[in-house]
Amino acid sequence: QQQVKQSPQSLIVQKGGISIINCAYENTAFDYFPWYQQFPGKGPALLIAIRPDVSEKKEGRFTISFNKSAKQFSLHIMDSQPGDSATYFCAANSNFGNEKLTFGTGTRLTIIP
Amino acid sequence: EPEVTQTPSHQVTQMGQEVILRCVPISNHLYFYWYRQILGQKVEFLVSFYNNEISEKSEIFDDQFSVERPDGSNFTLKIRSTKLEDSAMYFCASQKGGWEAFFGQGTRLTVV
Repeated sequence: QQQVKQSPQSLIVQKGGISIINCAYENTAFDYFPWYQQFPGKGPALLIAIRPDVSEKKEGRFTISFNKSAKQFSLHIMDSQPGDSATYFCAANSNFGNEKLTFGTGTRLTIIP
Repeated sequence: EPEVTQTPSHQVTQMGQEVILRCVPISNHLYFYWYRQILGQKVEFLVSFYNNEISEKSEIFDDQFSVERPDGSNFTLKIRSTKLEDSAMYFCASQKGGWEAFFGQGTRLTVV
């Protein structure tokens, strides 16, 4: 019940295209859903996050769509650029974010010219 | 911009040896975490620390592991007798309270 399932495992998108990564969760106590971006040899860095009281959050080229009834959320990267090539992890936690993060399995995104 | 600092960046140790991984969290943060990531896999929670005590630990965090915040700034993870399967990237994270957790750059632990 604590798992966060993420797909796809890897994704190749052409420059300028839209990258979409999906996550699903079971634990209805989760109330904070961040996405982390990780470059090789680096720690995860927060990219964007959403709480379940809204269905969408947009920051620049990055958008989270959240479907509370389906217990799913997704990351959309518009106008994908080679610099976006990284591993992306969805995550979730509860207690207004004051608890451990449960991470998805990660998506390795490659943007090709 | 404040950041979480971890040392060393890479540690090689012999099986059975003790290692201490060090972290300096962001100064006004209250919640501290250790996570680990085996190569190519997801980030896994080890332990959380709040108000000078462990608030939660995973099944990975057995008696071989311990954490300390000895001086109000450093946050350490000790592995008493390392095993080959402890080889991983270990990340420290800190949080002010609510929402964003900031991660360090990690310590790559290699047990040989």
